[in-house]
Amino acid sequence: GAVVSQHPSRVICKSGTSVKIECRSLDFQATTMFWYRQFPKQSLMLMATSNEGSKATYEQGVEKDKFLINHASLTLSTLTVTSAHPEDSSFYICSAREPGGGTGELFFGEGSRLTVL
Amino acid sequence: GNSVTQMEGPVTLSEEAFLTINCTYTATGYPSLFWYVQYPGEGLQLLLKATKADDKGSNKGFEATYRKETTSFHLEKGSVQVSDSAVYFCALSSSSASKIIFGSGTRLSIRP
Repeated sequence: GAVVSQHPSRVICKSGTSVKIECRSLDFQATTMFWYRQFPKQSLMLMATSNEGSKATYEQGVEKDKFLINHASLTLSTLTVTSAHPEDSSFYICSAREPGGGTGELFFGEGSRLTVL
Repeated sequence: GNSVTQMEGPVTLSEEAFLTINCTYTATGYPSLFWYVQYPGEGLQLLLKATKADDKGSNKGFEATYRKETTSFHLEKGSVQVSDSAVYFCALSSSSASKIIFGSGTRLSIRP
């Protein structure tokens, strides 16, 4: 199956700094990628849909200025957590579909655990 | 709107026990249905899927049948192993272009 890779897998930062997480599709081109946030009790929340060459579509309640998404190429989307605070500490996961969409299956990255001190 | 409801965990079983994790959905049209699994410290990976009514998805001894009449996609395994300990997510996609909606996840722990 298709491979999606995230980097970094773990990051620790100080409160008030910004952190960038990269999501890459390694063996296919992804016009659309999805960013999820996973809370401690495991529920998975869709944050936004990242569209190559255009603005991301954010879910209700997600701060656009807080979570900046850039999808500059067909194989890379980035999520930047700006002015991070301890409540932003979480597990962030990206995903993508293969071209053509198929049956809708998503391929997921390994996840990035952010800890804000 | 579309939604997925799955049984709350945690579920704790002994090795070789029979497993059922219930999942029901609400959707317009004919969605595709999925079960994803997340092992400790890892991202999600597809376990199985079904794209139309009465389809049965299967993988690694797990099965789930797409039941349109009951809007369900229950996950079953006849004999679980310790290595099956993970979080299981039921999900649906109403079209190839749309986002996937996930259930809240069910944590499964298997005792030796």
